[in-house]
Amino acid sequence: AQSVTQLDSHVSVSEGTPVLLRCNYSSSYSPSLFWYVQHPNKGLQLLLKYTSAATLVKGINGFEAEFKKSETSFHLTKPSAHMSDAAEYFCVVIDRGSTLGRLYFGRGTQLTVWP
Amino acid sequence: SQTIHQWPATLVQPVGSPLSLECTVEGTSNPNLYWYRQAAGRGLQLLFYSVGIGQISSEVPQNLSASRPQDRQFILSSKKLLLSDSGFYLCAWSVQGGSSGNTIYFGEGSWLTVV
Repeated sequence: AQSVTQLDSHVSVSEGTPVLLRCNYSSSYSPSLFWYVQHPNKGLQLLLKYTSAATLVKGINGFEAEFKKSETSFHLTKPSAHMSDAAEYFCVVIDRGSTLGRLYFGRGTQLTVWP
Repeated sequence: SQTIHQWPATLVQPVGSPLSLECTVEGTSNPNLYWYRQAAGRGLQLLFYSVGIGQISSEVPQNLSASRPQDRQFILSSKKLLLSDSGFYLCAWSVQGGSSGNTIYFGEGSWLTVV
């Protein structure tokens, strides 16, 4: 069975400080993992994805995530937060064996950035 | 490049009225198509997916239906809306294999308020 747990429903940081959004997953097979960002009243935008290549994945807007199989984690980080990073972030897992691209979403982490 | 269009962006409908949300994808052929719903304070729920024209699978029993009259068109409908149908609806697409892998790309979403 597949599932995704985002460990924090809300994260608050000051502008210019590091961001850490935590995600743990469970998957019966070798997973693909994604992070999406959703700004208010907008659709979901792909930040980055891990599909079996390098375990450290770099995405857009300075975000990166590291796949750690031993810890079943895929935490999202950014060295320095910007006000425009305030949004909701979703960690997503998909079994690579799935033929339908069915995604399993975490419940989301709301990131607040203080000036 | 591929793009996805979804409309209307917002609508307010009375209880018992019909619903039609439309989604089209450009720049690709035979995509997998999806409808998700995001209720306030909750994660994303897969409602329907389609692997081809006229092929619709429903994930949860509900008051909604979906149709795929053309390869790149996906429609979400209801004959009689309920208050509980309110939420943010997202259309998405994916292509199996190739450079996109199993990545799913989302439209901008449609806010539905049933009053």
